[in-house]
Order: sequence, then C-alpha cells, then structure tokens
Amino acid sequence: KNQVEQSPQSLIILEGKNCTLQCNYTVSPFSNLRWYKQDTGRGPVSLTIMTFSENTKSNGRYTATLDADTKQSSLHITASQLSDSASYICVLSRYGQNFVFGPGTRLSVLP
Amino acid sequence: NAGVTQTPKFQVLKTGQSMTLQCAQDMNHEYMSWYRQDPGMGLRLIHYSVGAGITDQGEVPNGYNVSRSTTEDFPLRLLSAAPSQTSVYFCASSRGQPKNTIYFGEGSWLTVV
Repeated sequence: KNQVEQSPQSLIILEGKNCTLQCNYTVSPFSNLRWYKQDTGRGPVSLTIMTFSENTKSNGRYTATLDADTKQSSLHITASQLSDSASYICVLSRYGQNFVFGPGTRLSVLP
Repeated sequence: NAGVTQTPKFQVLKTGQSMTLQCAQDMNHEYMSWYRQDPGMGLRLIHYSVGAGITDQGEVPNGYNVSRSTTEDFPLRLLSAAPSQTSVYFCASSRGQPKNTIYFGEGSWLTVV
C-alpha cells in the first residue's frame, strides 16, 4: 500500500473555477509536508512546505491545509488559470532528506 | 544562476550499453539526489549524497552507480542498461535543513530498447 495517496488521479476544470486536491498519508512521524507543481516535461517546483504542527500555508492562489489527526492534506487552488494545468505532487519528509512522494494529481484547466 | 542542470535531456540506449547522466548545481547545496519517475508512481529515490565524498543508496539503487567528487556535480551511471530502466530521471539538490526547498532539474528522458 502506498504511503502517500492522492485523489483524484486527474481533474478537469474550467478557467476561473476553484478546485481542491487531496493527499492521504500513512507516513508517521514526519517532519514536514510539501506540495509541488510539475509542468509537463519539466521538473517539480515547490509550492508550499508545512511542518506537522502547521495547519495551513498559502502561496498566492495556492493554499495547503494539513489535518494531522485524519492524516490528510489538501491543496486548494483559487480562480484557476490555464497555467495551473500541471501535475500536483504531495510529498512527506520523514527525516533528514528522506522523502515519500505521492503519485500526483493531473489537473487540466480549460478555457 | 542556473540552478540544477541535467544532461542529456533525451537518450536512447540499447540493452547492455552503459551511460552517465550528468547533474550539476551552482547553489553550493550539500544534499544532492537522483530520482526516477514512472507513470502512475511517485518519484523514487535511487541514490543520494549529503556532501562531497559521501553517497548512499535510496529505494531503488540496483543497476546504478553514483559518485560525488565535488559539491557541484553528482553523475548517475547506468552500468548495463535494461528496458526496466526506461524512465524519466530527475536530479535534485537542497541545503541540509529539513524545511529547505528541494530544487529539481528539468529531467532526463531515457529509453532502453
């Protein structure tokens, strides 16, 4: 069983709409949870980093939340743009540089 | 500031051939690592290094070698390519602190036929 699962696997929304991506994890304990954006054919780029004691972290139109009790994190994208079309990856850091990557959610924003 | 630079971008190998994927960073980061990304799966760690002269195995190290003779460079060597090594490879670097951002290269697409 994957230690980090993401849902949905893929999502299509219209430009200007909001959306929420989910990350469920079993990794415990962990030092921080990260969300990355990966454009097609490019390397992942960091969006947010939260420690296990933080509940929310924002980066522009991206807001990540963390519920350590239910072991869930979400990434909310507000007023989506065409450039938001990408894969979004949830990553947990167990210790040091030991990271566990989720499989990602593929988001397509249509005009 | 180039960040993390990987070469080549694309490569086709025949089974049994060897090759080296190059990775260089200009941010003076202690940590460097190599990942592979396969469809439907998260990135998986192949090898990593916490500083020059120090390397260690990750989750999927078989068939790969690394070395870290300088802080800047971290090449990944495929010893005898197999079709199972067809994948996208990413090099990454970061500072040693737990919350520091990981910077990824642009990826190397490798096909083994």
